[in-house]
Amino acid sequence: DTEVTQTPKHLVMGMTNKKSLKCEQHMGHRAMYWYKQKAKKPPELMFVYSYEKLSINESVPSRFSPECPNSSLLNLHLHALQPEDSALYLCASSQVDMGFRQNSPLHFGNGTRLTVT
Amino acid sequence: DAKTTQPPSMDCAEGRAANLPCNHSTISGNEYVYWYRQIHSQGPQYIIHGLKNNETNEMASLIITEDRKSSTLILPHATLRDTAVYYCIVRPLDMRFGAGTRLTVKP
Repeated sequence: DTEVTQTPKHLVMGMTNKKSLKCEQHMGHRAMYWYKQKAKKPPELMFVYSYEKLSINESVPSRFSPECPNSSLLNLHLHALQPEDSALYLCASSQVDMGFRQNSPLHFGNGTRLTVT
Repeated sequence: DAKTTQPPSMDCAEGRAANLPCNHSTISGNEYVYWYRQIHSQGPQYIIHGLKNNETNEMASLIITEDRKSSTLILPHATLRDTAVYYCIVRPLDMRFGAGTRLTVKP
């Protein structure tokens, strides 16, 4: 079990669908992250939120839309995805101290495995 | 690109120590070295981190060279359950994962 909960565990969607991935943590962490991981590849950073504000966007296509409605929740809204977007989507969280110095581990969920048909 | 480089794969006999190296020659003075591992179909799991001193916890030991340009993760008595991909990353300025080392522990 992890302290970062991601739902759903599996998702199959068509290219015209709109769906959302959800991530929740109750560790009081104020930094949250989305990563994308293709098979046999390392996780790729997509977005970073700090104090519920988007601080890093790694040039991710606009068909991926992140949202951080409060300090415990992180969503990733999906629209008009392509089959090559099929991957494991990982959420992580960490503490953020003053000045965005991150001397704290990332805590990962077990991901949502997304298949785009 | 990630600021770390690791060998793509390593083997280790069960019960022996596994020593996993990582090069981070461009590390900055305020960046920590973090190690994670990922077992198939799970999210990465935090193992240990350090700034410049050697560190030990219940899972592993971390040895950082004096110039901080490289480090070694040591699993003192590897078990079959330690078979995984091991990643080192430097933070806070880099949250990107390199390719990692696939460690296979063999009976």
